[in-house]
Amino acid sequence: ETGVTQSPTHLIKTRGQQVTLRCSSQSGHNTVSWYQQALGQGPQFIFQYYREEENGRGNFPPRFSGLQFPNYSSELNVNALELDDSALYLCASTILAGQTYNEQFFGPGTRLTVL
Amino acid sequence: RKEVEQDPGPFNVPEGATVAFNCTYSNSASQSFFWYRQDCRKEPKLLMSVYSSGNEDGRFTAQLNRASQYISLLIRDSKLSDSATYLCVVNSPTGRRALTFGSGTRLQVQP
Repeated sequence: ETGVTQSPTHLIKTRGQQVTLRCSSQSGHNTVSWYQQALGQGPQFIFQYYREEENGRGNFPPRFSGLQFPNYSSELNVNALELDDSALYLCASTILAGQTYNEQFFGPGTRLTVL
Repeated sequence: RKEVEQDPGPFNVPEGATVAFNCTYSNSASQSFFWYRQDCRKEPKLLMSVYSSGNEDGRFTAQLNRASQYISLLIRDSKLSDSATYLCVVNSPTGRRALTFGSGTRLQVQP
């Protein structure tokens, strides 16, 4: 196991609702990234948080927002849910240090279904 | 054009076969390259990093051709347990620090 945990594991919402997904990073990791994986596709980068600030964002609308807390855990919030938001949401934690790339460790994901 | 392109497969091969996956990437500034493995309904896990000189880990060999922006993964002596989706992944440390994934190539090893 990677030590990265996510909650909940599954979630069903209806169109227009709001959802909050949670991620606890691996001990010692200071950076959390969120990814959306639609069925049959590879994960797509949503955004990354480092030291409680957004540190890069993919091509997702503003209704996707996030937070990182002092203990480096993180939340992903999605407002005004759309049917196409149905996907597996993955978080990944790593240590961000200069230009060195350090492996990102993924959590098991939250499977969101929007009806 | 997708940033990372892979043949989606599926590749159906018998046990013991050698199978090769290919991938191309569009951002010539990309600096780090990986193959991840994803089992059905599970999270992606790093299989191996890919270096310009080529690298091998047991039955797995990865190659990178920067000039052609091409990455490959060779699996020798396929096992049933190799059945999974293999994701080609690129990281660009300049600008946004993120992993860019291909759509994955599905491998099914048959007895």
